[in-house]
Amino acid sequence: KNEVEQSPQNLTAQEGEFITINCSYSVGISALHWLQQHPGGGIVSLFMLSSGKKKHGRLIATINIQEKHSSLHITASHPRDSAVYICAVPTTFSGGGADGLTFGKGTHLIIQP
Amino acid sequence: NAGVMQNPRHLVRRRGQEARLRCSPMKGHSHVYWYRQLPEEGLKFMVYLQKENIIDESGMPKERFSAEFPKEGPSILRIQQVVRGDSAAYFCASSPTGGNQPQHFGDGTRLSIL
Repeated sequence: KNEVEQSPQNLTAQEGEFITINCSYSVGISALHWLQQHPGGGIVSLFMLSSGKKKHGRLIATINIQEKHSSLHITASHPRDSAVYICAVPTTFSGGGADGLTFGKGTHLIIQP
Repeated sequence: NAGVMQNPRHLVRRRGQEARLRCSPMKGHSHVYWYRQLPEEGLKFMVYLQKENIIDESGMPKERFSAEFPKEGPSILRIQQVVRGDSAAYFCASSPTGGNQPQHFGDGTRLSIL
């Protein structure tokens, strides 16, 4: 079973700062997910990546498969980025069918104006 | 272009009653996942279904919980004889096919047990 560790657990930063959230996992995977959970509770899928780097707006996600590590970066952070950011991996590495996900505990991010 | 629809958004039940949570996946998606988020805890996988089949229910409590995804209609997560510990947010996600696909989440159902 895959174990997922996220750091930091809580992060408070000033508007405009560059934010990095880290995720490590224990078992080789085919893809990793980054999710955002809003204060109201809804969950949005930000990225699914299996290698290299992906960018969407001010969000950048990177993954190193050999080191079993991924990072989520936010450039020019804004108060509206305040949310819980969650890393998730397939529960078992089947290499095939869609698996249920195992989640990190999340990083609570607060961006102050 | 409706996303994953869950209803109700909030559900209040008394101990011993039944709770039924519904999830309509995105159009064209035939894979459904249910997850539970207990207060102050992370998300946990419960069950993975395809149309008319339970593929993986390893995260489901052995008693009182059941799930289905019929040929027609939404997926249903059913909790019988609810207890206070069932209070949680229950999220549904869907994906179009097997293999590595992004999972699209609904807004969740907040279940409160009195």
